[in-house]
Order: sequence, then C-alpha cells, then structure tokens
Amino acid sequence: GESVGLHLPTLSVQEGDNSIINCAYSNSASDYFIWYKQESGKGPQFIIDIRSNMDKRQGQRVTVLLNKTVKHLSLQIAATQPGDSAVYFCAEIPLNSGGYQKVTFGTGTKLQVIP
Amino acid sequence: DGGITQSPKYLFRKEGQNVTLSCEQNLNHDAMYWYRQDPGQGLRLIYYSQIVNDFQKGDIAEGYSVSREKKESFPLTVTSAQKNPTAFYLCASSADRGGYGYTFGSGTRLTVV
Repeated sequence: GESVGLHLPTLSVQEGDNSIINCAYSNSASDYFIWYKQESGKGPQFIIDIRSNMDKRQGQRVTVLLNKTVKHLSLQIAATQPGDSAVYFCAEIPLNSGGYQKVTFGTGTKLQVIP
Repeated sequence: DGGITQSPKYLFRKEGQNVTLSCEQNLNHDAMYWYRQDPGQGLRLIYYSQIVNDFQKGDIAEGYSVSREKKESFPLTVTSAQKNPTAFYLCASSADRGGYGYTFGSGTRLTVV
C-alpha cells in the first residue's frame, strides 16, 4: 500500500462519532482554503472549500470552520463511517491577483475509523 | 467521464535511468501541475504549465523536466540527476490558472531499484 500516511498525526474515532481534523495555516493573506481526502494509493479528492470572507461552510456530513484570527481551519465530519478512513489535508491559496497563485498544502492527518 | 489519468500506477527505475510519467486530462483545463508527495510532507510543486507550450519551475524542479505540446498532456521526466526520486507523484489540472479547483490524478509510485 501507499506510504503517504506514515509519520502523520493520527486521529482514531469510533464509527458513528464525529471527527474534528485541524489545520494551522501560515499565510495571513490566504484567501481560499480547501480540504482534501486522500485514500491509500489514490489521488486527493476535493471535500469542501471556504473563502476568507466566511467563517463556516457546510456540506453533506462535513463542515469547515475558519478562524482567521488564529489562522486555523478545521474539518468536522459527522457520524464518521469506515469509508471516511483516509488522510485529510488542507490547502491554502492567496488572494488571486492574476497569474499563478501558489497553493500551499498541509502535511495531513490520518483518520482511522474503528468499527 | 471527464478526468485526469496518470500512468503507470507503479514504476521502477534503475540507477542512472530516465523515466517518463504520463499525465492526460480530458477536462479542457488550461493549467496542469506536477507534485511530489513524500511521507509526512505536504505536496511539493515540481513544475506547472498554465498554457500550451509554456511551463514554469516549481519549488523542487531540479532533476525533472516536462513538456506541454498539447493541452491534454503534461508528461514528467525524472532524470538521472534526481538523486532521490522514490516518491509518489501526482498530476493535477485546473480550469483557473490560479490553482483553484484542482482535479488530481490517481498518482504514480516511482521506486528506484
């Protein structure tokens, strides 16, 4: 299998419980944030995004919270399921002023769901 | 279905060899990217291309080369100058040149033998 998940912080959650995964970002000028899910041996998949003019956004079973004061992003997964087991990481993108905008990716958190 | 395809899924390279990783997209995206993923690290940008026949170095371009002759294709060559090539390589594309709305491929695992 893929070794992406090695050396990452791990969150173990009982099936059915809620999960909270955190991300500290570095650039106060970041304007757009994305959460990705990466299963072993696969490419990252988009989960949810949020712009800096918002502090909360909800999707299906997922919620992203943004605290710009402390440069913190969190992903909440409700009623965690075995299929949620994966590595989750955040990405930050600065304000689009034209041209290529450098995307900075976090290192990720491994979520293990205990059946 | 539209998507981005990387091949092969697993690739083995002998010391001193060049190898080429394929990345094809049928999303009509202008921008394409190559990232390297190592255990415990965030994705690191190798090269990117915002338009056909143009590409730019990313943060870790040394030992790699790319071409962008067609909109759909952005192959990455890992040359013998890359001293530590064992990694998981991800290709991505986006409609917006600013990196919004990435679609990632499924990755190629390169191992030096």
